Amino acid sequence: GQSLEQPSEVTAVEGAIVQINCTYQTSGFYGLSWYQQHDGGAPTFLSYNALDGLEETGRFSSFLSRSDSYGYLLLQELQMKDSASYFCAVSSGGGGNKLTFGTGTQLKVEL
Amino acid sequence: DAGVIQSPRHEVTEMGQEVTLRCKPISGHDYLFWYRQTMMRGLELLIYFNNNVPIDDSGMPEDRFSAKMPNASFSTLKIQPSEPRDSAVYFCATKRGVGRQPQHFGDGTRLSIL
Repeated sequence: GQSLEQPSEVTAVEGAIVQINCTYQTSGFYGLSWYQQHDGGAPTFLSYNALDGLEETGRFSSFLSRSDSYGYLLLQELQMKDSASYFCAVSSGGGGNKLTFGTGTQLKVEL
Repeated sequence: DAGVIQSPRHEVTEMGQEVTLRCKPISGHDYLFWYRQTMMRGLELLIYFNNNVPIDDSGMPEDRFSAKMPNASFSTLKIQPSEPRDSAVYFCATKRGVGRQPQHFGDGTRLSIL
């Protein structure tokens, strides 16, 4: 089976940098994704790492180490609108189409 | 482009009633996923389809749950009979192709079973 661990809550101030870690145990690993979900909203895709290293998309970056079964999401220049839950998810099985989500990290951005 | 469309947005019904949730995927997307989200269990995959064929239904909690995809434009998730523990937000998500293509989620159906 698959299991993922991420912190339940993180608090940071506007303009700061925050890192949300994710460790996983899985079989048939294809990649690690990150999704953002605002309260009452739908999960929206942020990034995907299939290979080791850093992927950068604007203020957000995501890192993967397959040998350590570890990844993180880095959010820079935090804004109030970044307050949301962030989920890591491993792709496994079915050509990597099957996603298993972590329990989510609630990020609170304060003034 | 229209996103994934789910209906209804909210459903409140009494225990024992049949509940049908609907999903219209993004045109051209060949994978469709049904998820359930609760505080206790998080976001769980229930079943997914590829080209209208069910591929993996190992997440379907029990026989009271069933899902169909009669064509590329429509899928349903049915609960019969419903129970209070089925109360959750149910999301439909779709994607194009295999691999790194992201899943696009609908706005969800917030289901309350009294």
